[in-house]
Amino acid sequence: DGGITQSPKYLFRKEGQNVTLSCEQNLNHDAMYWYRQDPGQGLRLIYYSQIVNDFQKGDIAEGYSVSREKKESFPLTVTSAQKNPTAFYLCASMFRPANTGELFFGEGSRLTVL
Amino acid sequence: KQEVTQIPAALSVPEGENLVLNCSFTDSAIYNLQWFRQDPGKGLTSLLLIQSSQREQTSGRLNASLDKSSGRSTLYIAASQPGDSATYLCAPRGSTSGTYKYIFGTGTRLKVLA
Repeated sequence: DGGITQSPKYLFRKEGQNVTLSCEQNLNHDAMYWYRQDPGQGLRLIYYSQIVNDFQKGDIAEGYSVSREKKESFPLTVTSAQKNPTAFYLCASMFRPANTGELFFGEGSRLTVL
Repeated sequence: KQEVTQIPAALSVPEGENLVLNCSFTDSAIYNLQWFRQDPGKGLTSLLLIQSSQREQTSGRLNASLDKSSGRSTLYIAASQPGDSATYLCAPRGSTSGTYKYIFGTGTRLKVLA
């Protein structure tokens, strides 16, 4: 079955540690996105990548880093510089942004900083 | 800057009622608009995608309309069921310098009572 797989589903981190969230898709989609969701707020864009080996900052990129070495994979690292990292993180992908542009999401990863 | 508002924020109805969820956006220069459903602790599921040239889209008991000039979209749910209980989000998609972005509303939390 085609889809977007995020792992881990739940992650606990001590303050000062970096953590990496995995996102893999087998939909042959060109573009991939990372969003953050906090209670009572809309999804906010962290980083996005429209092609391999290229990515751009979204609206809240500070304290995060990404890579896009393969079309299928777009891992997100939450660094110790992120001041309030506890949130629900969602990965999404889109076939060709210039076309119809339907966005598909993974099941999310919940990060809690202890 | 695009802003998206969804009204009402929460809604509780008895089973069988027909529902209208509202979405308004400030920038009418959009390419399309997508409606999503989110169950607690889960990712987003795409319900309907309306292109900017379309007035409405239908899928089963769901019908979404788009009035781009007035910055409004509505999601109509016919004969609501308890399984429809979820948060519904709308997201118009615009373009800035060739980059396509979805902006999300905060959602309408729907509860359908048996």
